[in-house]
Amino acid sequence: EVQLVQSGAEVKKPGESLKISCKGSGYSFTSYWIGWVRQMPGKGLEWMGIIYPADSDTRYSPSFQGQVTISADKSISTASLQWSSLKASDTAMYYCARQPLDLAYGMDVWGQGTTVTVSS
Amino acid sequence: QSALTQPASVSGSPGQSITISCTGTSSDVGSYNLVSWYQQHPGKAPKLMIYEGSKRPSGVSNRFSGSKSGNTASLTISGLQAEDEADYYCCSYAGNSTFDVVFGGGTKLTVL
Repeated sequence: EVQLVQSGAEVKKPGESLKISCKGSGYSFTSYWIGWVRQMPGKGLEWMGIIYPADSDTRYSPSFQGQVTISADKSISTASLQWSSLKASDTAMYYCARQPLDLAYGMDVWGQGTTVTVSS
Repeated sequence: QSALTQPASVSGSPGQSITISCTGTSSDVGSYNLVSWYQQHPGKAPKLMIYEGSKRPSGVSNRFSGSKSGNTASLTISGLQAEDEADYYCCSYAGNSTFDVVFGGGTKLTVL
């Protein structure tokens, strides 16, 4: 079964760092992009960026450039999203999603989501 | 990139058809046949319903169809069922040198 399994919910304080993960299984992890999508409470989906695990080619939405870091370790089929200094406004659900090389195919497999809560 | 424009809500009765519009610009929806649609039930991850504007992934009901005209893409759901009640998001590649992707604001579908 093709699946993306994300790490568990996190509760952090402002200023702390955080790295959440997304592990792929059931397919060739290095043959697809992995994208990250934010959903703030009660709000819509926002595309954050994408990484190609085969060579770590990474692209960011202008809205998130410099705010987060996307990385991947192909040896363990895992992509990650990290913050160096969290803000309350980072409180959201974060999804990873698989993106075929042909962009026309859309994000066809999604992780279950990781809730991040940032509060003092 | 600005979000694509969707109506906040639509509604229909079981068995009816509804259409959700998604308006972008000549830089995104109008330039590429790369619109996808996602269904999201409360507390669940999004699910791909339509890709490349009008194609359905395996397992998605043929009651769901997509189309595009100019800068506006549309999702039509025919034969509405209670299980279709969910949020729907359109998404388009907004290609430029930075490889951007943009979502619509989402539409809440209520099945009356």
